[in-house]
Amino acid sequence: EDKVVQSPLSLVVHEGDTVTLNCSYEVTNFRSLLWYKQEKKAPTFLFMLTSSGIEKKSGRLSSILDKKELSSILNITATQTGDSAIYLCAVDAGNTPLVFGKGTRLSVIA
Amino acid sequence: GAVVSQHPSWVICKSGTSVKIECRSLDFQATTMFWYRQFPKQSLMLMATSNEGSKATYEQGVEKDKFLINHASLTLSTLTVTSAHPEDSSFYICSARAPSGTVGGEQYFGPGTRLTVT
Repeated sequence: EDKVVQSPLSLVVHEGDTVTLNCSYEVTNFRSLLWYKQEKKAPTFLFMLTSSGIEKKSGRLSSILDKKELSSILNITATQTGDSAIYLCAVDAGNTPLVFGKGTRLSVIA
Repeated sequence: GAVVSQHPSWVICKSGTSVKIECRSLDFQATTMFWYRQFPKQSLMLMATSNEGSKATYEQGVEKDKFLINHASLTLSTLTVTSAHPEDSSFYICSARAPSGTVGGEQYFGPGTRLTVT
C-alpha cells in the first residue's frame, strides 16, 4: 500500500528561525512529490519535485528530493508568522489520486 | 496555473436536507476530479474519484448513496450530500487533475466548501 509519512506532526518556532519539514514515501510507481501549504482554505501548491538532488526555491522556501532515500525536505528560512500553516506532502503515483501525508502543523510565534 | 472553483464556499443547512456542491475547472478540461473531506486539524481524506461520463469510484467506508457524485462534463463535478446530518459537517474540497505538463503539478484544488448541518 502506498504511503507518505511526514514529520514532525507539529512544530512551534519563533519568528526568524529556520525550519526543516520531512516527508518520506513508499509508493510503487513514483512520478513526483508535491508540497502544499494549507491555511484556512484548501491547499495551495508550493513545489513539484521529480528529479533527485535538484533544489527548487521560492523566496524563503526551498525543497529537495532524494529518490535514493525516498524522501524530501521543505526548508523555510527566516520564518514569519504568515508561514504558520499545515504543510502537506503528497506523492503522485500515476493515474491514481495523490497520496497525502498527515501534514506538519507549523506555528510561528512573534 | 490551472484554476478550480467550488460553489458554495460555505453552506449551513438543516438536518435531513440535501446539499449540492459544485466543482469546476475553469481553464482546462479535467477528465478526473477528486473529492476530499477534511476534519479539523486533520489531513485530507479522499472520498471518491470522479471520472467524466462514468460512475465515481468511492473509497472504502464512504457511503455512495449518501454522497452522490456526478461528473457531467469535462469541467464540472458535483457532490450531493443527501439527508445531511450534523456528523456530515466538514470541509469538502475538490481537486481536478490537470493535463500533463501543466505548470504547478498534476492536481489543482478548489478553495473548499464548509458545510455545517444544524
